[in-house]
Amino acid sequence: NAGVTQTPKFRVLKTGQSMTLLCAQDMNHEYMYWYRQDPGMGLRLIHYSVGEGTTAKGEVPDGYNVSRLKKQNFLLGLESAAPSQTSVYFCASRPGTLYYNSPLHFGNGTRLTVT
Amino acid sequence: AQSVTQLGSHVSVSEGALVLLRCNYSSSVPPYLFWYVQYPNQGLQLLLKYTSAATLVKGINGFEAEFKKSETSFHLTKPSAHMSDAAEYFCAVTPAGGTALIFGKGTTLSVSS
Repeated sequence: NAGVTQTPKFRVLKTGQSMTLLCAQDMNHEYMYWYRQDPGMGLRLIHYSVGEGTTAKGEVPDGYNVSRLKKQNFLLGLESAAPSQTSVYFCASRPGTLYYNSPLHFGNGTRLTVT
Repeated sequence: AQSVTQLGSHVSVSEGALVLLRCNYSSSVPPYLFWYVQYPNQGLQLLLKYTSAATLVKGINGFEAEFKKSETSFHLTKPSAHMSDAAEYFCAVTPAGGTALIFGKGTTLSVSS
């Protein structure tokens, strides 16, 4: 029972480099989310998806792109990394429409450093 | 826009003392409310959630929270702190009919012996 799996766990990038963070869930959840966590800021929503092939912007979407080609996967891309994107990134998922009070299931995070 | 305010970024208690972590939300319509805990270098785990079935909600590890509509609050309490409770705690809200969870900035709980 893997739940939500994020890869990689750690990554160091140089300014201007690109990378993709992968999130996979095996719970058949409709909704998936990408958050970033920074000290004193809590978790801020980057992008989310309410189903395969759909994505939407969250609170802090600039500099990121996402794709949901398969229901179980949600990819977060950084096209040109900046030091301000140094953060811990969390993926989460939950069941869809009828389950607004269902909790999020979180991955263990990806720690990204941009130098 | 919906928001969540956690009063106190850092709370320190002695082992055995009462834990009180404060959370207020802004909404004219009662939302869905959650408390999560994060231990160092880990993801977030659900402590408890408010589902409108009862205003006093019991969660894991002896924590509970009371929903007070008149005060727009959802404070988290535990009668007796344990060293293992040291962690960061987040209050979160989903607006009624909403899809995303909005988090407060978190409160770090320290427990001393």
